[in-house]
Amino acid sequence: EAGVTQFPSHSVIEKGQTVTLRCDPISGHDNLYWYRRVMGKEIKFLLHFVKESKQDESGMPNNRFLAERTGGTYSTLKVQPAELEDSGVYFCASSHPSSSYEQYFGPGTRLTVT
Amino acid sequence: AQSVTQPDIHITVSEGASLELRCNYSYGATPYLFWYVQSPGQGLQLLLKYFSGDTLVQGIKGFEAEFKRSQSSFNLRKPSVHWSDAAEYFCAVGANFNKFYFGSGTKLNVKP
Repeated sequence: EAGVTQFPSHSVIEKGQTVTLRCDPISGHDNLYWYRRVMGKEIKFLLHFVKESKQDESGMPNNRFLAERTGGTYSTLKVQPAELEDSGVYFCASSHPSSSYEQYFGPGTRLTVT
Repeated sequence: AQSVTQPDIHITVSEGASLELRCNYSYGATPYLFWYVQSPGQGLQLLLKYFSGDTLVQGIKGFEAEFKRSQSSFNLRKPSVHWSDAAEYFCAVGANFNKFYFGSGTKLNVKP
């Protein structure tokens, strides 16, 4: 069974540009989460989808971040326009509805804003 | 407010020595607790979890962790460390419809 995949693995962009990160969850996992780790600090929750609906987006930093999950499958996280403080590693995780606390994480996307 | 503290940023142990990584949490209800490991270039892998019941839980790769409610701790242990255990370890508490709170991680170096 394929795990959670994320694309790209690395992205380097200039301040003011737009970047879109993609996450493909494990098949059958209705729950999808985005997390971010900045500068070696703790991994912080950004938001949680149940299928295509946003269950909790309390961790989204500001309105420059837009997450979507059309059709309830893969998800995208767009940052527009990117700022220097957006640099970090963005993790995606997914879980099955029958065991929602067991989150499986992807390898992360390392975003560098210069 | 919920939080997780991992007081050790870096730890170095010799191969074959025992290991204990500390984790303290702050959470108002019965916590769901987790330990994850991230090897270089890899994603976070679940080592073990505690939901309820026996406070000593066994995980993969020979790891175990003990939940101590009185100390708000969930320390990770391994009796004999292997060079392949060198990685970064994260403690997490699950709360409020699956939202996880993570510690800042502990990087483990293993000396030959």
